[in-house]
Amino acid sequence: DAGVIQSPRHEVTEMGQEVTLRCKPISGHDYLFWYRQTMMRGLELLIYFNNNVPIDDSGMPEDRFSAKMPNASFSTLKIQPSEPRDSAVYFCASRVSVNSPLHFGNGTRLTVT
Amino acid sequence: GENVGLHLPTLSVQEGDNSIINCAYSNSASDYFIWYKQESGKGPQFIIDIRSNMDKRQGQRVTVLLNKTVKHLSLQIAATQPGDSAVYFCAEYTNAGKSTFGDGTTLTVKP
Repeated sequence: DAGVIQSPRHEVTEMGQEVTLRCKPISGHDYLFWYRQTMMRGLELLIYFNNNVPIDDSGMPEDRFSAKMPNASFSTLKIQPSEPRDSAVYFCASRVSVNSPLHFGNGTRLTVT
Repeated sequence: GENVGLHLPTLSVQEGDNSIINCAYSNSASDYFIWYKQESGKGPQFIIDIRSNMDKRQGQRVTVLLNKTVKHLSLQIAATQPGDSAVYFCAEYTNAGKSTFGDGTTLTVKP
């Protein structure tokens, strides 16, 4: 099993540009999570899906952020327009059931200048 | 400039010593707890978990203790090795599976 796969690993963009982060969860995992990690706030849950349906998006900072999961093997997190304060490492994670461990990808380091 | 980020607890131990990392959780209704290890440039990795109907669970070189009375979780690492140097997070599961992470503890193992 290749684990959770995220792309790109690094993204550098200018303020105002659209950014799309991608995630492929582990096959058979019904839950998918997007987290953001910064020195200021630690690991913050942004949104999570169960069977491709968004369950809780209360952590999404504002309308500039959106996430989709069109099928069981793919999810995107989009920021439009991006701002310097969005600079962080964004992690995708998946798990097989409600009370089971999360499996994290290696993250996308986003820098917005 | 001044560092106004999280002030992560730090623990420095000598190679071969035992390490104890502590975590306080917030929700008395949480029923599942996990310890993760995060190395530089990687995502958090699962170490060990424990359910609320237990107070102790052992793995290979690691033990997790749960005290529900004071909402406290600890991770014990036996015979700590340089490869154990990382940031350690506890996570609690609330609201039917929503997982919330603590701030993390940085463990440094001196050879």
